Amino acid sequence: NAGVTQTPKFQVLKTGQSMTLQCAQDMNHEYMSWYRQDPGMGLRLIHYSVGAGITDQGEVPNGYNVSRSTTEDFPLRLLSAAPSQTSVYFCASSYLGIYEQFFGPGTRLTVL
Amino acid sequence: KQEVTQIPAALSVPEGENLVLNCSFTDSAIYNLQWFRQDPGKGLTSLLLIQSSQREQTSGRLNASLDKSSGRSTLYIAASQPGDSATYLCAVNGETSGSRLTFGEGTQLTVNP
Repeated sequence: NAGVTQTPKFQVLKTGQSMTLQCAQDMNHEYMSWYRQDPGMGLRLIHYSVGAGITDQGEVPNGYNVSRSTTEDFPLRLLSAAPSQTSVYFCASSYLGIYEQFFGPGTRLTVL
Repeated sequence: KQEVTQIPAALSVPEGENLVLNCSFTDSAIYNLQWFRQDPGKGLTSLLLIQSSQREQTSGRLNASLDKSSGRSTLYIAASQPGDSATYLCAVNGETSGSRLTFGEGTQLTVNP
């Protein structure tokens, strides 16, 4: 199993540009989520999904969109990038939300 | 709102020492608590998961305990090695938080040869 994979590993954007961060898992997990990690703020939940076709907002959802068309994939879209979205983004998955959660390697995003 | 605190923020020990990392949380209504390791520039690696009904879990040189009523967990590392150097994060999965993990800010551990 590859586990949780994320692409790209690094990305630099200009303010106002849009992009999609990809996340995939091959463990047939129903629950997937996106976090951002910032110095002094820890990891904070952006959006999560309890299964295909079902998504919900986390703690810091503004500026981000998600969709879940398949069990395997959970992309995160930045609609109009802002410098405040400079961060490291992690995708996570688990069989169900209350089970052990597994994290991907992260995407380092810089918005200029 | 669940809050998770980890003390100390940083710890430096000589190789071979046994050490304890602390994690406290404010709301005892939890499903489980998970300890992670994060190496610089890398993702989070799950170390141990303790369900709310459990008192402790062990994996190799690692032992994690949970006292749900007092809102505390400890991660014990036996016979520390330089390869244990990393940031250790604890995360609480709360019953009222929709399966979201609430993280502490971590303890940065350095094990000196």
